[in-house]
Amino acid sequence: GDSVTQMEGPVTLSEEAFLTINCTYTATGYPSLFWYVQYPGEGLQLLLKATKADDKGSNKGFEATYRKETTSFHLEKGSVQVSDSAVYFCALSDRGTSYGKLTFGQGTILTVHP
Amino acid sequence: EAEVAQSPRYKITEKSQAVAFWCDPISGHATLYWYRQILGQGPELLVQFQDESVVDDSQLPKDRFSAERLKGVDSTLKIQPAELGDSAVYLCASSLAEIVRVGAGPWRLDGYTFGSGTRLTVV
Repeated sequence: GDSVTQMEGPVTLSEEAFLTINCTYTATGYPSLFWYVQYPGEGLQLLLKATKADDKGSNKGFEATYRKETTSFHLEKGSVQVSDSAVYFCALSDRGTSYGKLTFGQGTILTVHP
Repeated sequence: EAEVAQSPRYKITEKSQAVAFWCDPISGHATLYWYRQILGQGPELLVQFQDESVVDDSQLPKDRFSAERLKGVDSTLKIQPAELGDSAVYLCASSLAEIVRVGAGPWRLDGYTFGSGTRLTVV
């Protein structure tokens, strides 16, 4: 079945540091890939997405590129801020095997210190 | 900005009791999803509706969980009886997904939006 694996966390960085959160996936059909963010006390929010190989999703300084050859969708940001502290989830939706179900990774806690 | 409404926000119940959660999706969203998020894990789909019909309930523990969306708008998820392992956040989401059939080619997941969730604690 479909699955998503995220790097082990938590991740602790200083402000303005470079961020990478690794995400790899297994899918049977034609997945679209997503990064969601969950700020403390809030619901899940879509951060960015990519729907086909080599697409790059970007938003709020975050980027991720859909790499079919390595089945990866790593999240990056060049300079993190304290306000980026949150839990980040990688997810996929496989239109070959589902009707829109999102399959999530286990989440990575990011803490950014001033 | 349109939101997915959920209530209650928090619920504490004793094991073996019944509990129910309510979700009101964004107006016009035909597809509604219930997810369960156990602490330290990602959300997992419990049940998915297209209008009033269930299209995926393969991960719903049907001996104790039930879900309905009678008029194809709001939805209720019920647990009876609740068990200690049911403690989690129950998330509702909705989308403009156009569903024909699995693997039928291009489809959209426009506007996929999550509610803030109901945090259930079973004691």
